[in-house]
Amino acid sequence: GENVEQHPSTLSVQEGDSAVIKCTYSDSASNYFPWYKQELGKRPQLIIDIRSNVGEKKDQRIAVTLNKTAKHFSLHITETQPEDSAVYFCAARTGTASKLTFGTGTRLQVTL
Amino acid sequence: DVKVTQSSRYLVKRTGEKVFLECVQDMDHENMFWYRQDPGLGLRLIYFSYDVKMKEKGDIPEGYSVSREKKERFSLILESASTNQTSMYLCASRRYRLAGGKNIQYFGAGTRLSVL
Repeated sequence: GENVEQHPSTLSVQEGDSAVIKCTYSDSASNYFPWYKQELGKRPQLIIDIRSNVGEKKDQRIAVTLNKTAKHFSLHITETQPEDSAVYFCAARTGTASKLTFGTGTRLQVTL
Repeated sequence: DVKVTQSSRYLVKRTGEKVFLECVQDMDHENMFWYRQDPGLGLRLIYFSYDVKMKEKGDIPEGYSVSREKKERFSLILESASTNQTSMYLCASRRYRLAGGKNIQYFGAGTRLSVL
């Protein structure tokens, strides 16, 4: 089955700096890659996703890039703000399969 | 507004008890999921269901069972709770889509279960 690895496990940046979180996946048939943000004590919520026919997608300060050849995808947050502090999860889904396989999460801390 | 509701936020049970965790969604979604979330291990899939009375094992099904008698409700059952099942349990639901369609997975707020 699919295996998703996520790095780093913790990340601390200063407000205004950029943050990058990286994930790799094992199944070359995976074609959908969402990113979820989980604030402390709250439920995970989708923040951005990308499909395998696209190399990059951007939504305001967040962007996701996908390299199908290398089987890795990354989340980029620019001009970080304190409210970006949360745990971020990447995930991958294969074909029409129902289930997502999640990474182990990255705890992002944005300091003033 | 999308809603996935878990019946309890916090639950304390004793070893050997039978535990029921309930999840209800109001979006008419076909697919429902149960995850457990542990520090450093991320979200691990326990069981999922792609329709009423259908279920499939996820990555860590041992010690758990599920029930989906109605489309909107998906129950996780711990037949005999053990201390290593102390965790945060998250329910999720998603509409069935063929590949290529927008297909957001929505999560419940979670149930923090402590088994003493």
